Amino acid sequence: QVQLQQSGAELTKPGSSVKISCKASGYTFTSYDISWIKQRPGQALEWIGAINPGSGGTGYNEKFKGKATLTVDKSSSTAFMQLSSLTPEDTAVYYCARVLPYYFDYWGQGVMVTVSS
Amino acid sequence: IQMTQSPSLLSASVGDRVTLSCKAGQNINNYLAWYQQKLGEAPKLLIYNANSLQTGIPSRFSGSGSGTDFTLTISSLQPEDVATYFCQQYNSWLTFGSGTKLEIK
Repeated sequence: QVQLQQSGAELTKPGSSVKISCKASGYTFTSYDISWIKQRPGQALEWIGAINPGSGGTGYNEKFKGKATLTVDKSSSTAFMQLSSLTPEDTAVYYCARVLPYYFDYWGQGVMVTVSS
Repeated sequence: IQMTQSPSLLSASVGDRVTLSCKAGQNINNYLAWYQQKLGEAPKLLIYNANSLQTGIPSRFSGSGSGTDFTLTISSLQPEDVATYFCQQYNSWLTFGSGTKLEIK
């Protein structure tokens, strides 16, 4: 069965960076894009961007350009998102999701990233 | 494209027919999905292309609409349907509504 297993919660300081992972199983990793979505309490979900695991090609929401960097490791069927120059506004749950153009049929369990001094 | 969901909170009784609304700021054709998110869980896809039921989703869920106005209907509310429901457009980039929280009365 399709699964997206994300890495564990992160507690990090303002100005730092964090890299979270999303390991795919149960399907051919290179056949579907992976997207990343941000969820803050009481706010709408926000699409951050997407990566094509086969080509490595990426697309970003303008709001997250310079904030998020998406990469993949095809050998381990794992997608990564690095968030840089972290501020308290980056505190959120971050999900990875498999893309069926352009909605999301499988989601990871989410990673809580907390930015606090 | 801004997506507006209403109401933000809905209380209904078990067995009720429930209707949730999602309005797009411009024409999105039928490029709309609905998700259910239970407390502490990831969102789950219910409906795509405005009215197509995702595999494995109970038939009491249905979607309708086109253009700017869309509806998610639960024909007979069950206790396990308590959740927040989000719509998402994919006609122009990707944006989500702010959700409708559904409670049992």
